[in-house]
Amino acid sequence: DAGVIQSPRHEVTEMGQEVTLRCKPISGHDYLFWYRQTMMRGLELLIYFNNNVPIDDSGMPEDRFSAKMPNASFSTLKIQPSEPRDSAVYFCASSDGTSGGATYNEQFFGPGTRLTVL
Amino acid sequence: AQTVTQSQPEMSVQEAETVTLSCTYDTSESDYYLFWYKQPPSRQMILVIRQEAYKQQNATENRFSVNFQKAAKSFSLKISDSQLGDAAMYFCAYRSARGNKLVFGAGTILRVKS
Repeated sequence: DAGVIQSPRHEVTEMGQEVTLRCKPISGHDYLFWYRQTMMRGLELLIYFNNNVPIDDSGMPEDRFSAKMPNASFSTLKIQPSEPRDSAVYFCASSDGTSGGATYNEQFFGPGTRLTVL
Repeated sequence: AQTVTQSQPEMSVQEAETVTLSCTYDTSESDYYLFWYKQPPSRQMILVIRQEAYKQQNATENRFSVNFQKAAKSFSLKISDSQLGDAAMYFCAYRSARGNKLVFGAGTILRVKS
């Protein structure tokens, strides 16, 4: 398996523009997570899905952020309008919650998208 | 809410030597999992080792081992025979057994000197 795939790897945009980050989880995984990494706040969970349904979006900073998972193999994180303080590395991760015995449900991370908002 | 604290922003170790990275956490739960993740300059998050809170035996993965002290809520990572490839940011993380949310510490930068 290719692992979790994220695109783009780097994104530079101007304040006010819409940004869409994409993620393809590992095939067969039923959990998908979006994290943000910044120097100030470290790694923080934004939202996660189970079987394509958002379960916990309490980490989503504000209404400018939205996430969707239209099917089991694709998710997007959208920022509209973007602001300089949104500059960060955004990670997508997936895990298999159905493996019998794998109760720790290891999360596999993608390579991240480095977003710069000018 | 659970919190994870890594009090060492940066550590250095000589190649082939041993280094210990510290982590403490705060929780009122009794059943949970603890993890150490490695983040090299490539940014990729790599799971190094995990510990189930109900297990008394400390986890070991090759040159990596943990010292899990449940009563003290401490979870340190020991790297033996350090190699240049171990240089990275290391994150300690907590997850409740009842949930899926990973809570990360601030990270420790490990530098390995040749």
